[in-house]
Amino acid sequence: RKEVEQDPGPFNVPEGATVAFNCTYSNSASQSFFWYRQDCRKEPKLLMSVYSSGNEDGRFTAQLNRASQYISLLIRDSKLSDSATYLCVVSPGTYKYIFGTGTRLKVLA
Amino acid sequence: DGGITQSPKYLFRKEGQNVTLSCEQNLNHDAMYWYRQDPGQGLRLIYYSQIVNDFQKGDIAEGYSVSREKKESFPLTVTSAQKNPTAFYLCASSPLNSGYTFGSGTRLTVV
Repeated sequence: RKEVEQDPGPFNVPEGATVAFNCTYSNSASQSFFWYRQDCRKEPKLLMSVYSSGNEDGRFTAQLNRASQYISLLIRDSKLSDSATYLCVVSPGTYKYIFGTGTRLKVLA
Repeated sequence: DGGITQSPKYLFRKEGQNVTLSCEQNLNHDAMYWYRQDPGQGLRLIYYSQIVNDFQKGDIAEGYSVSREKKESFPLTVTSAQKNPTAFYLCASSPLNSGYTFGSGTRLTVV
């Protein structure tokens, strides 16, 4: 089993739609969780950290479910500019982070 | 502005050559990392360093070497022992328990 697993997609959604991605992790001792966004042929950029109580940043909401060992990202009112690959990142609490392979999102006009 | 700089952006290597990828940061981050990304795959850790003059192998260190003589710099050498070096190489830095900041990457192609 991979340490961090994501559905590769692509998720093709119309503009204005709400879309959600899940990411599962295998190490129950994991302490830090993040979502990164990566545009084609570019470096990943931090989208948001994921906190135990859940957190929101504009149209984006991240949640953590420790019991089931997954994190989620919800995007409301999708924009064309949201089209990208979304990477789930998990850390066991050291400097070392583990990346998922990413979920591709295409927002269609 | 603080940031992390990788150079060159594109690099072509002949088979049997060693090449060195540069990574410099002025964010005062203690930890630095090198990842490799292949098409359709996730990021795989090559080496990381938590402090100056110390570094650890990641999951795919064979055929690579690094040094960390200064806090700001973490160059990666791709040696001739690396059998399939064509990839997108990403350098990152971070403080403890915070997200990474990535450089813009180096695309290495073997010709």
